[in-house]
Amino acid sequence: DSGVTQTPKHLITATGQRVTLRCSPRSGDLSVYWYQQSLDQGLQFLIQYYNGEERAKGNILERFSAQQFPDLHSELNLSSLELGDSALYFCASSEGAPNTGELFFGEGSRLTVL
Amino acid sequence: TQLLEQSPQFLSIQEGENLTVYCNSSSVFSSLQWYRQEPGEGPVLLVTVVTGGEVKKLKRLTFQFGDARKDSSLHITAAQPGDTGLYLCAGYSGGFKTIFGAGTRLFVKA
Repeated sequence: DSGVTQTPKHLITATGQRVTLRCSPRSGDLSVYWYQQSLDQGLQFLIQYYNGEERAKGNILERFSAQQFPDLHSELNLSSLELGDSALYFCASSEGAPNTGELFFGEGSRLTVL
Repeated sequence: TQLLEQSPQFLSIQEGENLTVYCNSSSVFSSLQWYRQEPGEGPVLLVTVVTGGEVKKLKRLTFQFGDARKDSSLHITAAQPGDTGLYLCAGYSGGFKTIFGAGTRLFVKA
């Protein structure tokens, strides 16, 4: 158990819909990262927050947005969903600065868009 | 743009064989991590290497960081079916910037 909690574990929805994925980081971790992993693909970095502020952005679509709240949990919002958005979405957390680069991943949220 | 290339992409071997997975970049990293991911689960941190030339052992797994801190290798001795999974290397260059390799998918046949 990494200590990172993601909900929901599975989500099935239709094209055009909007979903919200939630992540609670490990106790004490200030940074939250979101990654997308499509079938048999590597991890694609989406976005990172540190103590409530956006710190880095990857290849995140404009239809996607995220935020980190004062209690440090984070939400990833995916809107106008397309079939190609079907993937595993992982949240990871890390300690605040100084940072060793070690990431602790949740079990992921599997999104299926029909 | 920083890139981290892993090879091979896929490896299918018999139980008891040895194997090495490579992770290469033209960039220098402050540290490098190796993760293992099983189907439908999140990556799990195996090891962090920090010092150039560093070697770390985790049971049958040996991790090495290149002298110039640009590359790393993972060697598994006497592979077992339980070693099956996706192995990911990740390079950290400070400022919360981590890049992942595409992964090596290992299948160990009994």
